Amino acid sequence: DIQMTQSPSSLSASVGDRVTITCRASQGIGNSLAWYQQKPGTVPKVLIYAASTLQSGVPSRFSGSGSGTDFALTISSLQPEDVATYYCEKYNSAPRTFGQGTKVEIK
Amino acid sequence: QVQLQESGPGLVRPSQTLSLTCTVSGGSISSGDYYWTWIRQPPGKGLEWIGYIYHSGSTYYKPSLNSRVTISLDTSKNQFSLRLTSVTAADTAVYYCARDTIIMLRGVNHPTFDHWGQGILVTVSS
Repeated sequence: DIQMTQSPSSLSASVGDRVTITCRASQGIGNSLAWYQQKPGTVPKVLIYAASTLQSGVPSRFSGSGSGTDFALTISSLQPEDVATYYCEKYNSAPRTFGQGTKVEIK
Repeated sequence: QVQLQESGPGLVRPSQTLSLTCTVSGGSISSGDYYWTWIRQPPGKGLEWIGYIYHSGSTYYKPSLNSRVTISLDTSKNQFSLRLTSVTAADTAVYYCARDTIIMLRGVNHPTFDHWGQGILVTVSS
């Protein structure tokens, strides 16, 4: 099975900072990657699919990039409401696999 | 608006069978290009995909769980279900049902989990 490795596992940044989370696949997956946001006590919500396509309704400060094995999620200006755990997920083939998550906090 | 709701026991004894049901409202489980999915999340940990069932009845399970998992469909009740046998403490988790929707983008399928149930905590303990 393809493994997904995220880094860092957690980060703390100030409001307004640019934040980047990376995700690496153990094999190439093209652009078959999504990013999910899970705020404390809530269910995950899809932010990005096809590595870089923003889901409808998601703020434009979120962006995704990458293809093959290396991907990134960037928050251009961190807001208090972005406190959450972020997961990458590959879907090029079953089984579907999530990264271990990156917890984002405000400094 | 599609809604999903998990139901079932919150406590299961070790070696017994975990059984959960997801009731779908606001749309038919028999129509559309959706994969009806179970995902779990151990307390304080990440997300683990368990498997899915298509409206045709075809299934796919995570290989490491394949020998213990069954996902089934009841179209008359607009529900799908999860059975996990021989449970241990490692199966303690919040279990989510979710709808996996195919988005077509430039001729390529991009499935996303666009609707989730609220989740149900299942604890395996004697």
